[in-house]
Amino acid sequence: QVQLQESGPGLVKPSQTLSLTCTVSGGSIRSGGYYWSWFRQHPGKGLEWIGYMFYTGSTYYNPSLKNRVIISVGGSNSQLSLKLGSVTAADTAVYYCARGIPFAHGPTNWFDAWGQGTLVTVAS
Amino acid sequence: DIQMTQSPSSLSASVGDRVTITCRASQTINNYLNWYQQKPGKAPKLLIYTASSLQSGVPSRFSGSGSGTDFTLTISGLQPEDFATYYCQQGYGSPLTFGQGTRLEIK
Repeated sequence: QVQLQESGPGLVKPSQTLSLTCTVSGGSIRSGGYYWSWFRQHPGKGLEWIGYMFYTGSTYYNPSLKNRVIISVGGSNSQLSLKLGSVTAADTAVYYCARGIPFAHGPTNWFDAWGQGTLVTVAS
Repeated sequence: DIQMTQSPSSLSASVGDRVTITCRASQTINNYLNWYQQKPGKAPKLLIYTASSLQSGVPSRFSGSGSGTDFTLTISGLQPEDFATYYCQQGYGSPLTFGQGTRLEIK
């Protein structure tokens, strides 16, 4: 059974780069045909999709963040990296990684496994 | 972006009740609609995918229906552990988007 765990600094200064790692246990992000994804949730608010990396390495980003975000393989094939540049207080949120399952009969997917989330606060 | 609108935003119900949550998309999304449950301080949990398919391990009291722009999540026979916030999510267009959530509270 796959498990995901986010890690990284809980406090980032404005204008700096937010860097998080998602460690996947029980699987490799380079196999299985999955979409490895990042989401965030602002305090008391709904969910926002940041982007995902297909197991081939192709990436897809939310246009609202596209100029600031990079999703890539981390230090090993079991780690997914998120980098978000030029952060402001508006980037304060709980960040989640998740696994996306592709639909065999159409161009869609759903997210069946999630990390527990990590709170990142942007403040000086 | 495809806007997802859930109704109601909040709902009070009792254990044993049948409740229905509605999600409407701003354009047709075929059946590319997923439902998640989220409890305070926890990650979302997948309940239903492609509008009506029950995720493995999810109790059969949860069901989903709909296609095009209008979708529903029904919980038949509420249990104490079902009180949570529910989100719909469309997987048709980029960016993926969620509804604003429906908070289900104990009456």
